[in-house]
Amino acid sequence: RKEVEQDPGPFNVPEGATVAFNCTYSNSASQSFFWYRQDCRKEPKLLMSVYSSGNEDGRFTAQLNRASQYISLLIRDSKLSDSATYLCVVNNNRKLIWGLGTSLGVNP
Amino acid sequence: NAGVMQNPRHLVRRRGQEARLRCSPMKGHSHVYWYRQLPEEGLKFMVYLQKENIIDESGMPKERFSAEFPKEGPSILRIQQVVRGDSAAYFCASSDRGGNTIYFGEGSWLTVV
Repeated sequence: RKEVEQDPGPFNVPEGATVAFNCTYSNSASQSFFWYRQDCRKEPKLLMSVYSSGNEDGRFTAQLNRASQYISLLIRDSKLSDSATYLCVVNNNRKLIWGLGTSLGVNP
Repeated sequence: NAGVMQNPRHLVRRRGQEARLRCSPMKGHSHVYWYRQLPEEGLKFMVYLQKENIIDESGMPKERFSAEFPKEGPSILRIQQVVRGDSAAYFCASSDRGGNTIYFGEGSWLTVV
């Protein structure tokens, strides 16, 4: 079993749609969790940290369920500029473990 | 811009040559991480260093790869006798001592021909 698993997609949605990404992780001792965004041939950029209480940043909402070892990202009112790969990341003792990413394409 | 600086951004090497990738961490950061992203694959942790110390090298291939972070100067990822399979994007990241937020450089793209 992979340490961090994501549905690779691609997800192709129209502008304005709501899209949800899911991620599971295998190490119950993982300390912190993140969603990163990566554009083609660019470095990954931190989108948001993920907390058990859930957190929201504009159109983006992230949720962590430690009991189920499950992380989610919800994007509302998708924009063309949201097209990218979204990476679920788990921090184990300062070692970031990355999912393979979910590809999102937002179409006009 | 005092972000994480990597160079070279693009490097082409022939099989058997050496590749040296450099990373200057963000100002005030003393912890450096190297990650590799192979074509069509996810990022993989390689090594975590503090000044003059390798803290975790569990992701480094056993042969040909080495990393250092000297007291002065940038961190260096060195790949000896490169092979085609070493072609990848190598990302460096840095953090402060707390390690709560890790910032990435723009990456170094190595192509082995």
